[in-house]
Amino acid sequence: GNSVTQMEGPVTLSEEAFLTINCTYTATGYPSLFWYVQYPGEGLQLLLKATKADDKGSNKGFEATYRKETTSFHLEKGSVQVSDSAVYFCALSDRSSSASKIIFGSGTRLSIRP
Amino acid sequence: DTGVSQDPRHKITKRGQNVTFRCDPISEHNRLYWYRQTLGQGPEFLTYFQNEAQLEKSRLLSDRFSAERPKGSFSTLEIQRTEQGDSAMYLCASSLELATIEQFFGPGTRLTVL
Repeated sequence: GNSVTQMEGPVTLSEEAFLTINCTYTATGYPSLFWYVQYPGEGLQLLLKATKADDKGSNKGFEATYRKETTSFHLEKGSVQVSDSAVYFCALSDRSSSASKIIFGSGTRLSIRP
Repeated sequence: DTGVSQDPRHKITKRGQNVTFRCDPISEHNRLYWYRQTLGQGPEFLTYFQNEAQLEKSRLLSDRFSAERPKGSFSTLEIQRTEQGDSAMYLCASSLELATIEQFFGPGTRLTVL
């Protein structure tokens, strides 16, 4: 079945460091891919998305490129801030049923030191 | 605030009791989803509605769980005879059927079964 695997955390970086969180997926067909973020005490928010191969999603300085050949959707940011501390979830939209339910990875907790 | 709302935000109950959660989706959204998130994991799909029709249920949704969306607006999720394993965050999300693939999530209801 469809699944998402992302790097385990926690990840701890210093402010202004470069961030990469790896994500790979297994899916039939051509899913849409997402990164969601969950700030402390808040609900899930969509960070960025990509709907087809080679699309690049971007938001708030974060980027991820839909790589069909490597089945990957790695999240990157050139210079992280303390306010980026949160849990990040890689996810895909399962189009094998009418529900288009979202399948999530297990999450990566990111902590940024001032 | 026109986002997805959930009530209550926290619920503590004793094993064997019944609990009911409510979700109010974004008003024009005709799709509504329930997910469950356990500690350290990503959310997992439970069920979804298109208008008032419940169209798909996960195998995670045992017979003790029931969900309704009587008028195609708000939804309720009831758990009967709660067990300690039901302790989790229950998330609701909504979307438009034919528009963006994005699902908008509520803040969740955290259930603790003692």
